Amino acid sequence: GAGVSQSPRYKVAKRGQDVALRCDPISGHVSLFWYQQALGQGPEFLTYFQNEAQLDKSGLPSDRFFAERPEGSVSTLKIQRTQQEDSAVYLCASSFAEGGNQPQHFGDGTRLSIL
Amino acid sequence: GESVGLHLPTLSVQEGDNSIINCAYSNSASDYFIWYKQESGKGPQFIIDIRSNMDKRQGQRVTVLLNKTVKHLSLQIAATQPGDSAVYFCAENPMNRDDKIIFGKGTRLHILP
Repeated sequence: GAGVSQSPRYKVAKRGQDVALRCDPISGHVSLFWYQQALGQGPEFLTYFQNEAQLDKSGLPSDRFFAERPEGSVSTLKIQRTQQEDSAVYLCASSFAEGGNQPQHFGDGTRLSIL
Repeated sequence: GESVGLHLPTLSVQEGDNSIINCAYSNSASDYFIWYKQESGKGPQFIIDIRSNMDKRQGQRVTVLLNKTVKHLSLQIAATQPGDSAVYFCAENPMNRDDKIIFGKGTRLHILP
């Protein structure tokens, strides 16, 4: 299908390692979002891109988290020196245009486990 | 502060009956609301949305009701089917925010045979 695609689906890393999570948004979607979802909780906002510009990164938990979208399509969320509290599902979403008041379409996420 | 919550964490409904999932929000500045369905191991799936200038919107087998006076949102699912088993989240988009939507904790819907 033409939905949001995330890879890998599962990632296991040892504490202290760096990880990179990839998101392929729906083709032509301007806006891209990253969310973190802890077990049994709703997704929590991390960061937002409009094309290649990162307009809001207020939800990133620490400076170990870094996201980029260099060409305005694919995005990568990188976590450096991972900690156990980073274990969660990382969801990517995209929407057609800039601005709110429109649905965000989610991928199936990457489940990250830090040992 | 901003928050979106749900009255019941778990709801059990007989197959074929109607389901009603409730949500309370506290940010009166929110002007857009969305219901998502999340099945195990999958991302949230868009069900239906409603803007604050409306009080009711209908989709296929689903209806969303918005009561701005008491800041309450509900999702009604008609003739509930086994495939409706999932966690349902309401979410809000605060006015003047181009980006994030705020999710509640979710309600798990169980369908009884």
